[in-house]
Amino acid sequence: IAGITQAPTSQILAAGRRMTLRCTQDMRHNAMYWYRQDLGLGLRLIHYSNTAGTTGKGEVPDGYSVSRANTDDFPLTLASAVPSQTSVYFCASSLERGDNEQFFGPGTRLTVL
Amino acid sequence: DAKTTQPPSMDCAEGRAANLPCNHSTISGNEYVYWYRQIHSQGPQYIIHGLKNNETNEMASLIITEDRKSSTLILPHATLRDTAVYYCIVRTSNQGGKLIFGQGTELSVKP
Repeated sequence: IAGITQAPTSQILAAGRRMTLRCTQDMRHNAMYWYRQDLGLGLRLIHYSNTAGTTGKGEVPDGYSVSRANTDDFPLTLASAVPSQTSVYFCASSLERGDNEQFFGPGTRLTVL
Repeated sequence: DAKTTQPPSMDCAEGRAANLPCNHSTISGNEYVYWYRQIHSQGPQYIIHGLKNNETNEMASLIITEDRKSSTLILPHATLRDTAVYYCIVRTSNQGGKLIFGQGTELSVKP
């Protein structure tokens, strides 16, 4: 692995189903983030983690949960998907909280029907 | 974060310099100016940042006005691969690393 990866690349999901988007980084970055990107709304922060074992809420956390059991992984879970969660999801990381440069993954395109 | 204002779109001829402006009139003394870009269907990519001095790296130059109320990102020799949405972001360095992306400028580099 080089950098930050996300899986799956894309997914079509029935409303009401549970879904976990995976994010893994091999840069030993302490801070990680989940954003969603919607046409006309730009990128919005869902949740973040400043270090393993801690998480925090971003701008649009409702309907999403995260965990940070270790440094490398930061999964995002939709407990019961709704159509308004149709979006492109980007995971990002930075060396430290408040660091200058965030590295982004390639994104997951999720469609909830 | 201070609010930023960017033109929604710009065109640039291939090989010419692309100058992308950003207004941030409410910037405070400890806020930095960051530039990111997003090429279609890819994740955002960090370009450059600065506080008050002009900065240059292998990708671009950043010119910040003396009063810090505006800045310009310069791509000295734009290529077709520079076609992307460019985001100007203002933030402090200790607020949890949460980037707030606005609408950005869609730069189209044309042959």
